[in-house]
Amino acid sequence: EPEVTQTPSHQVTQMGQEVILRCVPISNHLYFYWYRQILGQKVEFLVSFYNNEISEKSEIFDDQFSVERPDGSNFTLKIRSTKLEDSAMYFCASSEVGAGYEQYFGPGTRLTVT
Amino acid sequence: GEDVEQSLFLSVREGDSSVINCTYTDSSSTYLYWYKQEPGAGLQLLTYIFSNMDMKQDQRLTVLLNKKDKHLSLRIADTQTGDSAIYFCAESISGAGNMLTFGGGTRLMVKP
Repeated sequence: EPEVTQTPSHQVTQMGQEVILRCVPISNHLYFYWYRQILGQKVEFLVSFYNNEISEKSEIFDDQFSVERPDGSNFTLKIRSTKLEDSAMYFCASSEVGAGYEQYFGPGTRLTVT
Repeated sequence: GEDVEQSLFLSVREGDSSVINCTYTDSSSTYLYWYKQEPGAGLQLLTYIFSNMDMKQDQRLTVLLNKKDKHLSLRIADTQTGDSAIYFCAESISGAGNMLTFGGGTRLMVKP
């Protein structure tokens, strides 16, 4: 069964460093998403991406964040200058079509900023 | 803004039915979802219901939606120890970039 994959599973970085989290969505899916879950808190929407552009973003997704689909298979989340409060589990998801269709999630990348 | 709430914890005995409840505030919710998260794993989509439906059944899972009270429930029949996990409800609103708004999750513990 096709699945969303994410790498790495765990990333440790120092405050102020740039990180890139990688995702490979399900191959025939057209919509891509990033969510995060800070320990003990709710899963929060960051951004959705369709047709090579951002279709929606939350207040969390400020200028420090960017997303890219550099090739036909990868979808990346970049954090330019990490802060301690960026420590969280980051989930990538993809869906075949837009609103109302299933979003399939990857296993997540745990980001620890020290 | 949207808010989705769930109780934190539910404990049941193996073989019993489990009912996990969720309330939401946004009346323009289009789809409502149930996801399952096992330890160390991602979010697994279990089922979803369109807002013009009252009920959806899928094998051991029954979703009930009371749109008037903005209440969603997930019933798991014949609960097994393998059902022990955190269950998240989520809503999406048409036209809102397909973003999902999640509840805090309900930890289901199934005792043998």
